[in-house]
Amino acid sequence: EAGVTQFPSHSVIEKGQTVTLRCDPISGHDNLYWYRRVMGKEIKFLLHFVKESKQDESGMPNNRFLAERTGGTYSTLKVQPAELEDSGVYFCASSQEYGDYNEQFFGPGTRLTVL
Amino acid sequence: AQSVTQLGSHVSVSEGALVLLRCNYSSSVPPYLFWYVQYPNQGLQLLLKYTSAATLVKGINGFEAEFKKSETSFHLTKPSAHMSDAAEYFCAVSEGYSSASKIIFGSGTRLSIRP
Repeated sequence: EAGVTQFPSHSVIEKGQTVTLRCDPISGHDNLYWYRRVMGKEIKFLLHFVKESKQDESGMPNNRFLAERTGGTYSTLKVQPAELEDSGVYFCASSQEYGDYNEQFFGPGTRLTVL
Repeated sequence: AQSVTQLGSHVSVSEGALVLLRCNYSSSVPPYLFWYVQYPNQGLQLLLKYTSAATLVKGINGFEAEFKKSETSFHLTKPSAHMSDAAEYFCAVSEGYSSASKIIFGSGTRLSIRP
């Protein structure tokens, strides 16, 4: 079974440009999460989808970040316009809707560098 | 709010020596506690999880962690380090008891193994 995949693995852009990150969750997983780790700090929650609906977007830093999950399958995270402080590793995770514990399966991350 | 604190951003041990990575949690009754590992150029992988079923939790690759309520600790140990254990390790806690609760991470501990 394929795991969570993310594209691209690396992205280098100039300040002010737009970048779109993509996440494909494990097939059948209704929960999809975005996290990010900025340099030297802890991994922080950004938002959570249940199918195509945003369940919790309390971690989104500001309105330059837009996440979508059309059709409840893959998700995109767009940063527009990108700023220097957006650099970091963006992780996506997915989990089943029901279970005894909260096992989230993580993708390899997208390393974003804003110059 | 839930939080975890990892003591030591970098730990170095000799091959064959005991590995001890420290983690303390904030709440007296955390929903679920986790240890994740990130090997170079890979995603986060779940090492083990505490779900209140047993205080000593065994995970993959010979790692284990003990939940100690009196010390609010969940330290990760391995009796004998291997070179392949070199990675970054994250202690984490779920925000709630729902299977879809977001995960709150510690700042990570990078483990180096000396030959």
